[in-house]
Amino acid sequence: GDSVTQMEGPVTLSEEAFLTINCTYTATGYPSLFWYVQYPGEGLQLLLKATKADDKGSNKGFEATYRKETTSFHLEKGSVQVSDSAVYFCDIRDDKIIFGKGTRLHILP
Amino acid sequence: EAEVAQSPRYKITEKSQAVAFWCDPISGHATLYWYRQILGQGPELLVQFQDESVVDDSQLPKDRFSAERLKGVDSTLKIQPAELGDSAMYLCASSLTDRAGNTIYFGEGSWLTVV
Repeated sequence: GDSVTQMEGPVTLSEEAFLTINCTYTATGYPSLFWYVQYPGEGLQLLLKATKADDKGSNKGFEATYRKETTSFHLEKGSVQVSDSAVYFCDIRDDKIIFGKGTRLHILP
Repeated sequence: EAEVAQSPRYKITEKSQAVAFWCDPISGHATLYWYRQILGQGPELLVQFQDESVVDDSQLPKDRFSAERLKGVDSTLKIQPAELGDSAMYLCASSLTDRAGNTIYFGEGSWLTVV
């Protein structure tokens, strides 16, 4: 069946560092791909999405590109801020919705 | 901006008691989801509604959990009797339709502690 594998956390970076959080998937169909962010004590918020190969989703300085050839949707940001500290979830959707286990990100000032 | 409303925000209940959570999705959203999120893990789908009909409840522990969306708008998730292992955050979410490309919008969640 379909599955999502996310980079294990926690990831700790200094402010202004470059961020990559890896996400790879297996799917029998052609899923849509999403990244969600969860701040402490809150629900999940959509960060960005891509629905077809080579699409790039972007929001708040974060980017991810739908790579069908490598079945990946890695999240990147060029310069992280303390306020980016949160848990990030990769999500694939075909006939099922599957979330990754989440990657906790700590940004140090 | 329209939001998914959930209540209560926090609930502490004793083992074997009944507990209920309520959700009001974004107006016009046909698809409603209930997820359970255990601390440190990703959300796990419990039940999915399309309008008033259940389309997926394969992961719902039906011996103790029930969910309804009688008029195809708001929804209630009930647990009876609650067990210690039910302590988690219960997230309600909605989307315009169940198409894979549609964004799912989450509420802030209801934290349940069973003691």
